[in-house]
Amino acid sequence: ETGVTQTPRHLVMGMTNKKSLKCEQHLGHNAMYWYKQSAKKPLELMFVYNFKEQTENNSVPSRFSPECPNSSHLFLHLHTLQPEDSALYLCASSLYDNQPQHFGDGTRLSIL
Amino acid sequence: EDQVTQSPEALRLQEGESSSLNCSYTVSGLRGLFWYRQDPGKGPEFLFTLYSAGEEKEKERLKATLTKKESFLHITAPKPEDSATYLCAVQAAGTYKYIFGTGTRLKVLA
Repeated sequence: ETGVTQTPRHLVMGMTNKKSLKCEQHLGHNAMYWYKQSAKKPLELMFVYNFKEQTENNSVPSRFSPECPNSSHLFLHLHTLQPEDSALYLCASSLYDNQPQHFGDGTRLSIL
Repeated sequence: EDQVTQSPEALRLQEGESSSLNCSYTVSGLRGLFWYRQDPGKGPEFLFTLYSAGEEKEKERLKATLTKKESFLHITAPKPEDSATYLCAVQAAGTYKYIFGTGTRLKVLA
């Protein structure tokens, strides 16, 4: 089974919809991350959870709401998104915060 | 301000034509430098971690090196399957945050 699994792989939603992205890691890692990847831009860190506690919120708009119920699962709840939020959303995990991060294949999000 | 710059932005090589990708960085104390490979429609795949100047890591046709200001990813005798975007990231001392570059898109022609 792959190390970091993200669902769904693709999501199209209207600006008034509410949806959630899911990430699950099977690596026994303690830290989990959400990134946004837009064309021609570097990966942007959004949120960091370390041992289920949120330790970083990189000035992300409140229309993105993370949830980490346990060390293996991470969610990103979406509501009232804007067209500029269309991007690839990547989840990553690492054993500890100074260890290499391992990424899932992302959710391609399109906002109509 | 911590910053990562990768060059070139894009690179086309003939199969077997060796070359190097550059990652220049400015960071207030380096905790680690990371190289990733990303294929279209996929997430970044971890390749190497380098922690201190002078360190080198190798994997198949790839070799990563590190100085106090930059890292190189050397590709020896590349094959078409090495075609991908290569990403560099640095982690500053005292933080868990990665700063990513915009990547180098490598195309290896048969």
